[in-house]
Amino acid sequence: NAGVTQTPKFRILKIGQSMTLQCAQDMNHNYMYWYRQDPGMGLKLIYYSVGAGITDKGEVPNGYNVSRSTTEDFPLRLELAAPSQTSVYFCASSWDFSETQYFGPGTRLLVL
Amino acid sequence: DQQVKQNSPSLSVQEGRISILNCDYTNSMFDYFLWYKKYPAEGPTFLISISSIKDKNEDGRFTVFLNKSAKHLSLHIVPSQPGDSAVYFCAAMPSGTGNQFYFGTGTSLTVIP
Repeated sequence: NAGVTQTPKFRILKIGQSMTLQCAQDMNHNYMYWYRQDPGMGLKLIYYSVGAGITDKGEVPNGYNVSRSTTEDFPLRLELAAPSQTSVYFCASSWDFSETQYFGPGTRLLVL
Repeated sequence: DQQVKQNSPSLSVQEGRISILNCDYTNSMFDYFLWYKKYPAEGPTFLISISSIKDKNEDGRFTVFLNKSAKHLSLHIVPSQPGDSAVYFCAAMPSGTGNQFYFGTGTSLTVIP
């Protein structure tokens, strides 16, 4: 049981490039989330999903897109990378909104 | 706008003593609160939670206190151990369905052996 896995661990992007951050969970959780954590700040919710085919915006969705074609996977897409997207990105999953969220180890992204 | 605040970025405590981590919030609609612990290069892991119908919840060495009138919660760790050295985040969720958690900025706890 791997829990929540994220790839890659670290990536450097040039301004304007695109990439997909991968997230997978093997706990059969319906709810999945993407957060970003900037230095000295708390985690901010980017997007979340309540099940396959259903996604919704969180607090800071601009510049990102998501899809949820399966229960297990919840990729986060950056279309035109900007320096403001330099951050650590965490994926999480849970049974329900009010339940404990299980986090992946994070992806550190640097946009130069 | 930071709705959940942890005003102490760091805290150092001697092993065996009590660690008290504080968290303040501004939204009176928050009714469920959690504490997460995060080690370097890892994701946060759940520690303890409390709902607004309680003012205290205890789990082993960890106790969370909630003061709704002051919009304040605190995490007490007794006794503190070197393995408790980590960053601690508080998080809060408003009542109703389909809402999100709001996280504080974190407090880095160092327990000195």
